[in-house]
Amino acid sequence: RKEVEQDPGPFNVPEGATVAFNCTYSNSASQSFFWYRQDCRKEPKLLMSVYSSGNEDGRFTAQLNRASQYISLLIRDSKLSDSATYLCVVNERKGSARQLTFGSGTQLTVLP
Amino acid sequence: DAGVTQSPTHLIKTRGQHVTLRCSPISGHKSVSWYQQVLGQGPQFIFQYYEKEERGRGNFPDRFSARQFPNYSSELNVNALLLGDSALYLCASSFYDEQYFGPGTRLTVT
Repeated sequence: RKEVEQDPGPFNVPEGATVAFNCTYSNSASQSFFWYRQDCRKEPKLLMSVYSSGNEDGRFTAQLNRASQYISLLIRDSKLSDSATYLCVVNERKGSARQLTFGSGTQLTVLP
Repeated sequence: DAGVTQSPTHLIKTRGQHVTLRCSPISGHKSVSWYQQVLGQGPQFIFQYYEKEERGRGNFPDRFSARQFPNYSSELNVNALLLGDSALYLCASSFYDEQYFGPGTRLTVT
């Protein structure tokens, strides 16, 4: 079983649509959680940290359910510029290291 | 403020050669991590360094090594290159939990 699993995608949605990405993780000792976005042939960029209480940043809402080991990202009112690969990321403490473990990513294309 | 910088941006090597990749973290960040990303996958953890000490190592062979300098910059070295080492090599710096990535070095092994 992969340590971090995401919806395989791809997701093709029209502008203005709401889209949700889901992610599960296997290590119950994982400490912190993030969503990164990655444009083609570019580096991952931090989109949001994810907190147990849920958090919102403009059109983006992230939720964490520690009991179910489940993370989600909701994008409202999709824009063309939201087209990218979205990476679910878990920060695990392994020894004295804080290691990011990435999902394989979900590709989103927002269509005009 | 400058972000994470990496050099070179692109590199082509032949099998058996070695390569050195360089990274400068965001000013004030003392931790540097290295990741390998092959096409179609998420980045895979290679190393983490903090205050010049190795804090963690991923599931990579001993051909991969790294170090961190007193100014917190870092080098990743790969010996005896294999075709499978072709990938985007990403450096990330962090102060606490959040890690910020540089633009990466795209390595092609022929």
